[in-house]
Amino acid sequence: ETGVTQTPRHLVMGMTNKKSLKCEQHLGHNAMYWYKQSAKKPLELMFVYSLEERVENNSVPSRFSPECPNSSHLFLHLHTLQPEDSALYLCASSQEWAWDTEAFFGQGTRLTVV
Amino acid sequence: EDQVTQSPEALRLQEGESSSLNCSYTVSGLRGLFWYRQDPGKGPEFLFTLYSAGEEKEKERLKATLTKKESFLHITAPKPEDSATYLCAVQGYGGATNKLIFGTGTLLAVQP
Repeated sequence: ETGVTQTPRHLVMGMTNKKSLKCEQHLGHNAMYWYKQSAKKPLELMFVYSLEERVENNSVPSRFSPECPNSSHLFLHLHTLQPEDSALYLCASSQEWAWDTEAFFGQGTRLTVV
Repeated sequence: EDQVTQSPEALRLQEGESSSLNCSYTVSGLRGLFWYRQDPGKGPEFLFTLYSAGEEKEKERLKATLTKKESFLHITAPKPEDSATYLCAVQGYGGATNKLIFGTGTLLAVQP
């Protein structure tokens, strides 16, 4: 265990559904991240929160909506997704949003959009 | 634009057969190069950070090296438990972002 926990591990949702992914870390880290991992593609950074403030938004469609209520929790709210959004969604945390920062990843949520 | 290319895409080794994985990068000023290991159905696990050409780091059967254009992950006498996808990422000084740029990984299979 890395100290970063994601739920659920697997999620199947229809294109009209609304669901949320949850991430929790108890490492005392100040930065949290959402990544998307698709087959044969590099990990793609989606959002970064530093001290509960969003500092990075990599042109992610508005059907993905992040929320960081406190430094230990991160959510990714999903609505009206498309089949191409099916992927492994990874949460990570690090001590700071800075260089030389080892990121700790969760196990991921395998999302399938039908 | 910062870019990372990993080769080969997949590598199959016999137990004990040493080899190397390659990570070529283009970055506007390297802050750090990171190696991660990812097992199926799991998130990446941090292995090493390298900062400057000539630097080397070791962990058990793994040794990572860095030049100005590429990094190698050498695997000495691998065991089946070393089977995983190995990811390389770079962080550069260019722009205002601190984000990591990942490669697509090398899938390593070590057969007993």
